[in-house]
Amino acid sequence: DVKVTQSSRYLVKRTGEKVFLECVQDMDHENMFWYRQDPGLGLRLIYFSYDVKMKEKGDIPEGYSVSREKKERFSLILESASTNQTSMYLCASSPQDRLNTEAFFGQGTRLTVV
Amino acid sequence: GENVEQHPSTLSVQEGDSAVIKCTYSDSASNYFPWYKQELGKRPQLIIDIRSNVGEKKDQRIAVTLNKTAKHFSLHITETQPEDSAVYFCAPRGNDYKLSFGAGTTVTVRA
Repeated sequence: DVKVTQSSRYLVKRTGEKVFLECVQDMDHENMFWYRQDPGLGLRLIYFSYDVKMKEKGDIPEGYSVSREKKERFSLILESASTNQTSMYLCASSPQDRLNTEAFFGQGTRLTVV
Repeated sequence: GENVEQHPSTLSVQEGDSAVIKCTYSDSASNYFPWYKQELGKRPQLIIDIRSNVGEKKDQRIAVTLNKTAKHFSLHITETQPEDSAVYFCAPRGNDYKLSFGAGTTVTVRA
């Protein structure tokens, strides 16, 4: 059973704080992704990684960075949290196999920046 | 990367009726076309997918059809039931590793 686990279900942080969101997957997937989900805006891709230490900007990378030091772990970093980063954050992973590219999601982290 | 558009954004259907959601994409090299379902408070999960060498695929009450020439694919749900109420996302896969989703379609099945 594939598991993608995010470190926190709910998080409250203050404006200006540095915030770390952690994601771990146990299926040896090469690809990992971070999305934010806001009402009416769907799933917007922030950053993704296709290999250890490799990262690519998604559609809305501003204000975020990522780290992938190990294959199973992908971290999202908010360098200086702002109230407009209050959102639901979802991590996902998928294999690179062209015949099997299903994405598996974590349970989500509801981040509130006050 | 893909430009993905999904229509409609909301869909309300009477229980037992059919629902159709359309997804258009831009990358002509796309070869994998999945649909994900997200129930309220849950994570998105794959419900059906199709590959570019197939035009249609069915799984009980759901089906996906693909028109590669026009660059769109559709999700069909027949005999809708209350448990079909959810947000549905398409996520066509291009040649790169980027995975972009449509904005989602909120389906409400009225009893």
